[in-house]
Amino acid sequence: DAGVIQSPRHEVTEMGQEVTLRCKPISGHDYLFWYRQTMMRGLELLIYFNNNVPIDDSGMPEDRFSAKMPNASFSTLKIQPSEPRDSAVYFCASSPGLAGYNEQFFGPGTRLTVL
Amino acid sequence: AQSVAQPEDQVNVAEGNPLTVKCTYSVSGNPYLFWYVQYPNRGLQFLLKYITGDNLVKGSYGFEAEFNKSQTSFHLKKPSALVSDSALYFCAVRDEGGGFKTIFGAGTRLFVKA
Repeated sequence: DAGVIQSPRHEVTEMGQEVTLRCKPISGHDYLFWYRQTMMRGLELLIYFNNNVPIDDSGMPEDRFSAKMPNASFSTLKIQPSEPRDSAVYFCASSPGLAGYNEQFFGPGTRLTVL
Repeated sequence: AQSVAQPEDQVNVAEGNPLTVKCTYSVSGNPYLFWYVQYPNRGLQFLLKYITGDNLVKGSYGFEAEFNKSQTSFHLKKPSALVSDSALYFCAVRDEGGGFKTIFGAGTRLFVKA
């Protein structure tokens, strides 16, 4: 298995532009998570999905952030408009369902820089 | 509410010596506890987890962790550190009755000196 795939790996954009981050979870995993990692705030859960349905989006910082999972093999995290404080590494992770004690499998991350 | 504390920003140890990375947690119900490791420019990798049963859990790369319910701790240990163990380590907790939301600690940077 290729693991969790994220694209792009690096994104540099200017303030005000729309940014779309993409994730392909491991096949067969029922849960998908989006995290943001910064030096100041550490690793923050933004949103997670179960069977393509958003379960908890309480970590989404503002209305500028949105996430979708149109099917079991694809999810997007969109920031519109982007701001310099959105600069961070964004991770996608997936996990098999059925039991809450299953570990998460993380993608390599997307390093976002907003100028 | 769930929370995790990693009291040390950095741990320094000489190669060949034992290492301990500390973690304490707080949950309202029974905890599921995890350790992950992150190497530079990589995603987090799962090391080990505690679900129930034996308080000493063994994981990948020779790591183990000890669950202590009375002290609400889940310290990561390794008998003999390697330079290649140098990385960022995260403790995480999930409440058994709290769905799939996992709370991660701030991370502890382990530096193993040759």
